[in-house]
Amino acid sequence: ETGVTQTPRHLVMGMTNKKSLKCEQHLGHNAMYWYKQSAKKPLELMFVYNFKEQTENNSVPSRFSPECPNSSHLFLHLHTLQPEDSALYLCASSRGPSGGESGANVLTFGAGSRLTVL
Amino acid sequence: ELKVEQNPLFLSMQEGKNYTIYCNYSTTSDRLYWYRQDPGKSLESLFVLLSNGAVKQEGRLMASLDTKARLSTLHITAAVHDLSATYFCAVDSNYQLIWGAGTKLIIKP
Repeated sequence: ETGVTQTPRHLVMGMTNKKSLKCEQHLGHNAMYWYKQSAKKPLELMFVYNFKEQTENNSVPSRFSPECPNSSHLFLHLHTLQPEDSALYLCASSRGPSGGESGANVLTFGAGSRLTVL
Repeated sequence: ELKVEQNPLFLSMQEGKNYTIYCNYSTTSDRLYWYRQDPGKSLESLFVLLSNGAVKQEGRLMASLDTKARLSTLHITAAVHDLSATYFCAVDSNYQLIWGAGTKLIIKP
């Protein structure tokens, strides 16, 4: 258990479904992140929230919709996805920019949600 | 645009051997991170390198940073099977991490 919990761990959905991924951390961190991990590609940052405010949206398609109701919880709402969206979606948290020792921003990751879009 | 390149991307080696993974990046940064990911598991922070010449060691792994060469290395000494994993480096650019593609390391008994 890393301190960051993601549910569900596995999700299979059709292109017309609506589903949500959930992430929860109780590390007292102020920043939360969604990453997409596809085979043979670098980690892709999708969204960043710092103190519940979205600070980064890396040109993510609108079929992905994040929600951060408080600094401990982060959701990724999914609708009308495409098969190429199949990937491992990782949530992470950190103390936030310049919040760590000597300015380090060390991320703690969840185990990920493996998404398959049919 | 900041790019981070790791090499090799795949490495198969025998137990007891030494090897080095390289992480090159394309712009100025003095904060670099190494993470490990076991199959089906989350990424785990290994090392944080915060200045030129920084060296960190944990067991059989040693990481170093040369900000002038824009290069970090992860050296494995006398490899053991338990070190089999995928290793990622990430460079801090304005407090956003830019990731390498990862090096999948397989250590054979």
